[in-house]
Amino acid sequence: EGQLVESGGGLVQPGGSLRLSCAASGFTISAHWMSWVRQTPGKGLEWVATIKYDGSEEYYVDSVKGRLTISKDNAKNSLYLQMNSLRVEDTAVYYCDSTPSGLGGRGALVTVSS
Amino acid sequence: QAVVTQEPSLTVSPGGTVTLTCGSSSGAVTNDHYPFWFQQKPGQAPKTLIYDTSNRYSWTPARFSGSLLGGKAALTLSGAQPEDEADYFCLLSYSGPRVFGGGTKLTVL
Repeated sequence: EGQLVESGGGLVQPGGSLRLSCAASGFTISAHWMSWVRQTPGKGLEWVATIKYDGSEEYYVDSVKGRLTISKDNAKNSLYLQMNSLRVEDTAVYYCDSTPSGLGGRGALVTVSS
Repeated sequence: QAVVTQEPSLTVSPGGTVTLTCGSSSGAVTNDHYPFWFQQKPGQAPKTLIYDTSNRYSWTPARFSGSLLGGKAALTLSGAQPEDEADYFCLLSYSGPRVFGGGTKLTVL
C-alpha cells in the first residue's frame, strides 16, 4: 500500500486563492482515480472532487464547481487542488484520497477568513 | 445528487458484534458503488478501513468486515474492543461523483 501526503494549506482572505498539493508514494497515480475530501471542524466528511486515472474526467461537488479545480501530474506522481474565489465555508481540513493508500494522513488546513 | 444514509448512533458491548449500514436514496447499493468505510477516533484524522465493498488495508483489524446486506453496504464489527469507539463514515461512488454518509457514532459500552 502507498502513502499520500498533503501540503499547501494556510490562511487566506475571502475571494483569495490557494493551491493544495498531494504527493503520492508507493504507487503510481497514473493508474488510479484520485480525490479530494474535506472536513469542517466538528462535522462529517464531504467529498470535494475526483479525477480519473488518465485525467480525462473530473467531477465536483456542486458547491465548488467553477471555483476549485483538481489536476494531477503523473510525472511528479502528485495531485493538486487549485482553489479560487474562496469562501468562508471552504474552511476545512482537506485530504487527498486514492484506493491504493486510503486517505492521506496529514491533511491540509485551509482557513478562509478576513 | 443521491443522499447516503447511516444510523446516527449505535452501541455495542465489549466483545459483541454490531453491523453498521450505508444506504442510498437512489436504490440498492451494489458493488458498482465501490463502498468505502472510514473510521475517525476523537481528535484524530479519519482513516480508511474498507475499500470496494469488502477489502481491508494492512492496518485494518480483521474484526472489521465489509459486505452488501439487504440492499445496503454494511460494516460488521465482530468482537468489539474499547478502542473501536469512533465515528464511522461510508462513501459511495455514483459513476464519478461521490457522496459520504452522515456518519455513525459507535459507542462500546
